[in-house]
Amino acid sequence: DGGITQSPKYLFRKEGQNVTLSCEQNLNHDAMYWYRQDPGQGLRLIYYSQIVNDFQKGDIAEGYSVSREKKESFPLTVTSAQKNPTAFYLCASSDSPSQVYYGYTFGSGTRLTVV
Amino acid sequence: DQQVKQNSPSLSVQEGRISILNCDYTNSMFDYFLWYKKYPAEGPTFLISISSIKDKNEDGRFTVFLNKSAKHLSLHIVPSQPGDSAVYFCAASVYHAGGTSYGKLTFGQGTILTVHP
Repeated sequence: DGGITQSPKYLFRKEGQNVTLSCEQNLNHDAMYWYRQDPGQGLRLIYYSQIVNDFQKGDIAEGYSVSREKKESFPLTVTSAQKNPTAFYLCASSDSPSQVYYGYTFGSGTRLTVV
Repeated sequence: DQQVKQNSPSLSVQEGRISILNCDYTNSMFDYFLWYKKYPAEGPTFLISISSIKDKNEDGRFTVFLNKSAKHLSLHIVPSQPGDSAVYFCAASVYHAGGTSYGKLTFGQGTILTVHP
């Protein structure tokens, strides 16, 4: 059964620590995306990757880093430089940039809380 | 700069009646629009989309209307059902332009729809 797996579902981090959120897809999609959801602000794009070994900053990339070493994996690291990391993080993929009209496939999200 | 706006944070509707969710955009380059539905603690799921060359697209109980001159789109759900209760996001894309914006979706803030039995 194809889909996107995000892990863990809930994550707690101490201030000053880096943490990595996992995103794996078995849909053979070219493009992958990371969004952040905050109450009243909708989904904001952090980073995206249209092809392996290439990625671009989104609208709110400061304090985050990504890698795309494999087509199926797009991990997101929330660094200590991110001033307000507590949020719901969503990973998504699409068949290719040109297939966006079919819509993204989203994972079920990771709730990150800084304690 | 919020390029896609959903000005109603919430909407409450009686079961069987029509739900109308609205979305406005400012970027005239947007040429493809989508609606997503999201339940708590889950990822959004694709609902319906419309290209800028159309003004209406229908799929069962869901219809999306696009008014390009007003830069406005709306999602109609008829009849509304309690299972439709969720957060609805509209999203827009510069689909045909190419370049670095190609394939990126810009989302609105979302509208919480509650359908009462």
